[in-house]
Amino acid sequence: ETAVFQTPNYHVTQVGNEVSFNCKQTLGHDTMYWYKQDSKKLLKIMFSYNNKQLIVNETVPRRFSPQSSDKAHLNLRIKSVEPEDSAVYLCASSPRGAFNERLFFGHGTKLSVL
Amino acid sequence: GEQVEQRPPHLSVREGDSAVITCTYTDPNSYYFFWYKQEPGASLQLLMKVFSSTEINEGQGFTVLLNKKDKRLSLNLTAAHPGDSAAYFCAVSAGTGGADRLTFGKGTQLIIQP
Repeated sequence: ETAVFQTPNYHVTQVGNEVSFNCKQTLGHDTMYWYKQDSKKLLKIMFSYNNKQLIVNETVPRRFSPQSSDKAHLNLRIKSVEPEDSAVYLCASSPRGAFNERLFFGHGTKLSVL
Repeated sequence: GEQVEQRPPHLSVREGDSAVITCTYTDPNSYYFFWYKQEPGASLQLLMKVFSSTEINEGQGFTVLLNKKDKRLSLNLTAAHPGDSAAYFCAVSAGTGGADRLTFGKGTQLIIQP
């Protein structure tokens, strides 16, 4: 049963455009994440966000930024998309963000950059 | 940092046969291990969470083995059926930090042939 909701499911855009993806979790978790899954299905963490504390993967380009209004929402904005941004973006959450917790994933947003 | 190698990247077995997917990791301080299953077009779902003190973990139709000496984690599917066709990911968590310290393997695409 899905409890992490992502919109849109798909998005096609052109190089240089700005895009924004939404994520909402109804589990009451304190921590949310964004992962990038490339065409080879490799998963890489981009951001984690807990109680207004943002942890950024140092390899993430600066054109990516997370935006949170409350602990149930974590959106992802890409300021000026590049072709290499084409991927599936997975949102996830966990209760407290502890190392022993499983992650709950959304279905993903597939981005295609033309 | 932690390195996780998952093999094989692709695996095709006949229905009723067994399938084995293996992950090796580098950090001897890894304490929690996870297997996730991702069916086509769906989100990652947790198959099993394993703590470092348990070497054999039984699930529904599968077994997870942990060999801490060799730093190896394996997922053994017994009597594979078509519903097992999916991508499988191992994930390894060190004993410090948060869930953002989770390192995923590159995934195994498993196909069950009738």
